[in-house]
Amino acid sequence: QKEVEQDPGPLSVPEGAIVSLNCTYSNSAFQYFMWYRQYSRKGPELLMYTYSSGNKEDGRFTAQVDKSSKYISLFIRDSQPSDSATYLCADGGATNKLIFGTGTLLAVQP
Amino acid sequence: DSGVTQTPKHLITATGQRVTLRCSPRSGDLSVYWYQQSLDQGLQFLIQYYNGEERAKGNILERFSAQQFPDLHSELNLSSLELGDSALYFCASSTHSGDTGELFFGEGSRLTVL
Repeated sequence: QKEVEQDPGPLSVPEGAIVSLNCTYSNSAFQYFMWYRQYSRKGPELLMYTYSSGNKEDGRFTAQVDKSSKYISLFIRDSQPSDSATYLCADGGATNKLIFGTGTLLAVQP
Repeated sequence: DSGVTQTPKHLITATGQRVTLRCSPRSGDLSVYWYQQSLDQGLQFLIQYYNGEERAKGNILERFSAQQFPDLHSELNLSSLELGDSALYFCASSTHSGDTGELFFGEGSRLTVL
């Protein structure tokens, strides 16, 4: 079992839709949770970063963490074609390793 | 632009060969991380250096090695290359040594082994 599991997609939605991206993790030692966005032919860039269970909002993006069920989600409201990218969840703990999911490819159709 | 520079951007070589990938971290960042990204395995952590010293090791093959130099740039050496080593290799940097915080990624070096 991989430490971080993520549905690879692809996920195709119309412009303006609400997008839900999900990850599960198995390591209870994970203490912080991140979402990275990776455009084609580019390196990943940090989108959201949270330590705790609950919701964290940043503009059209909301990250949700449920430590009891080891489930993390990213919601994108009013999705735009510019949101088309691969979204990677990443979890870290006491070690220096940041463990990434395989990524979900999102396409927002205009 | 993340401020992390990787060279070369593309590299094509043959099985059995050796290559060196280079990374310059963001100004002021002491930690350098190497990741391998392939279609089936996703982004896999290879190794981390902090201020010249190895800090953490992931799924790095014995044929691979890395180092971080006094000027903080890092090199990843891949030897006895196999077809399965074809992948995108990313370097990332951060200011932290332990709790990683935000990693800033370069644009990657695409290695193709024929």
